[in-house]
Amino acid sequence: NAGVTQTPKFQVLKTGQSMTLQCAQDMNHNSMYWYRQDPGMGLRLIYYSASEGTTDKGEVPNGYNVSRLNKREFSLRLESAAPSQTSVYFCASSHLSDTQYFGPGTRLTVL
Amino acid sequence: RKEVEQDPGPFNVPEGATVAFNCTYSNSASQSFFWYRQDCRKEPKLLMSVYSSGNEDGRFTAQLNRASQYISLLIRDSKLSDSATYLCVVNPPSAGKSTFGDGTTLTVKP
Repeated sequence: NAGVTQTPKFQVLKTGQSMTLQCAQDMNHNSMYWYRQDPGMGLRLIYYSASEGTTDKGEVPNGYNVSRLNKREFSLRLESAAPSQTSVYFCASSHLSDTQYFGPGTRLTVL
Repeated sequence: RKEVEQDPGPFNVPEGATVAFNCTYSNSASQSFFWYRQDCRKEPKLLMSVYSSGNEDGRFTAQLNRASQYISLLIRDSKLSDSATYLCVVNPPSAGKSTFGDGTTLTVKP
């Protein structure tokens, strides 16, 4: 099993460009999450999906949209990237409120 | 007040030392608790779950105090490889968003 996979691993964008971060899990988990982590800071929840077909805002949702495409996949879209969105983005999945398993992260720089 | 607060650290200790981290939470209805470890620029990984009765895994001991709403992590006989950031995680009663502490950084020195 691959666990949680994320693509791309690295990305550089110019201000105003858009992109989608992809996340997939093969553990048959119901819940999936997107976090961002700024240098020297903790994880902040952007959006989460408790089950297929549902999504909810987390602590810092502004500037982002998500899609729970199916049970396996949960994507994060930046419509118009800003330098403040430079961060490391982690996707995670869990069975209900159990242990979360994280992907390796996407390191995004917005110039 | 943050929902989950951790000792700010950093903790710098010599090899072989015993070190303890605390984490307090504000939601008394919280149901499950975890300690994660995060190495520099890597994803967080589960270190151990925290149970009401306390639990031990080798050199690591985790405890939960519901009355005072805190959890703790004790590391005995510290190794250089224990150097990392330790995150405490508190989960709500039903499926939904977990709350992560900001982490405590530990550096174990020779």
